[in-house]
Amino acid sequence: GAGVSQSPSNKVTEKGKDVELRCDPISGHTALYWYRQSLGQGLEFLIYFQGNSAPDKSGLPSDRFSAERTGGSVSTLTIQRTQQEDSAVYLCASSSGQRTGELFFGEGSRLTVL
Amino acid sequence: SQKIEQNSEALNIQEGKTATLTCNYTNYSPAYLQWYRQDPGRGPVFLLLIRENEKEKRKERLKVTFDTTLKQSLFHITASQPADSATYLCARISGGYNKLIFGAGTRLAVHP
Repeated sequence: GAGVSQSPSNKVTEKGKDVELRCDPISGHTALYWYRQSLGQGLEFLIYFQGNSAPDKSGLPSDRFSAERTGGSVSTLTIQRTQQEDSAVYLCASSSGQRTGELFFGEGSRLTVL
Repeated sequence: SQKIEQNSEALNIQEGKTATLTCNYTNYSPAYLQWYRQDPGRGPVFLLLIRENEKEKRKERLKVTFDTTLKQSLFHITASQPADSATYLCARISGGYNKLIFGAGTRLAVHP
């Protein structure tokens, strides 16, 4: 597709379960970002991939969160042993990787932890 | 660490008026600022970028300013319309090559 695609769009899980969220960036975009947005809040930076460089993981809230980007394209955000406070919309964005490149966002994955 | 702040209170204005939203940042001035629009249940959409050496940028009914002395950017929508109602987010780079951090956003409601 032409835009950033995220799946699933909605995920309901039980506390303690692991979840995986997927992001398909725009083809050719070298930069990929994950953000978290809680209800009524702004975007919280989680992790940033740029080409083959080591990812910037400085925003990951705990070691239960991890992300990988395979082949410089698709990315998966994994949350282990989910907690209720992990409930939020997880947004993925990609950009061309240029210094001032605008971000193109997906529609997000809404995670609800019961 | 760099921070970016937006007025979290909603801005309510009458159709046809000019809406002005504020974005304040801390520490050093970023090379640029970006503004995004977010509708409920959707991902943010890029609107405008303004560089540090640009005082003003325009796009149709939108105007953005960048004041490095005040450490502030203003976002204006002239002749506002109900369709402009949305949350507007300001973003800056923070550390890293292109790591973007966002303000909390300001919700704008334009009433007929």
